[in-house]
Amino acid sequence: SAVISQKPSRDICQRGTSLTIQCQVDSQVTMMFWYRQQPGQSLTLIATANQGSEATYESGFVIDKFPISRPNLTFSTLTVSNMSPEDSSIYLCSARRSTDTQYFGPGTRLTVL
Amino acid sequence: DQQVKQNSPSLSVQEGRISILNCDYTNSMFDYFLWYKKYPAEGPTFLISISSIKDKNEDGRFTVFLNKSAKHLSLHIVPSQPGDSAVYFCAASADFGNEKLTFGTGTRLTIIP
Repeated sequence: SAVISQKPSRDICQRGTSLTIQCQVDSQVTMMFWYRQQPGQSLTLIATANQGSEATYESGFVIDKFPISRPNLTFSTLTVSNMSPEDSSIYLCSARRSTDTQYFGPGTRLTVL
Repeated sequence: DQQVKQNSPSLSVQEGRISILNCDYTNSMFDYFLWYKKYPAEGPTFLISISSIKDKNEDGRFTVFLNKSAKHLSLHIVPSQPGDSAVYFCAASADFGNEKLTFGTGTRLTIIP
């Protein structure tokens, strides 16, 4: 399995600001993903973070709101831009190797006031 | 449109007895299914998976059953232990290589000592 860490673990932010969440994997992985879990809801895939190219976004999520970087095979960032209270969620990073299943980081709990 | 449904938001089971968590899906393209366990303030932890070519997969105390004709799967935990108290998520994908996971809303399992 892969060990995944995320920073920050939680944050409280003001409306209109942006927050960048970091995801670090302890070894090289093929694929990295970003999910959101809104209060009382399921996990929803935001995008697939592609190494060296633009992320692939799911329906309902756009690059201007959730810019993603993946500069190498072990690291990715997700930025939540121009935040509103509706962005209050847990944001989770996940990763997998080509012959393995998908493993998750501990999540970042974001509260927007 | 909730393609993966866990209709029981919560379940309480006596320690030592069997816990049965259920999951239904609507998308006939799904052919790979996973169960994750989530403790508070942690990311989901992979438990067990099953592909559509099987109807049962076992790993220690955990067994997953798949009924493709009914589009239904279940997770059996026996015997249940206090450490099993957590939220359990069912997830599905169109194929193992795809790994775009669609999650259910989760079932909170409480094991009563």
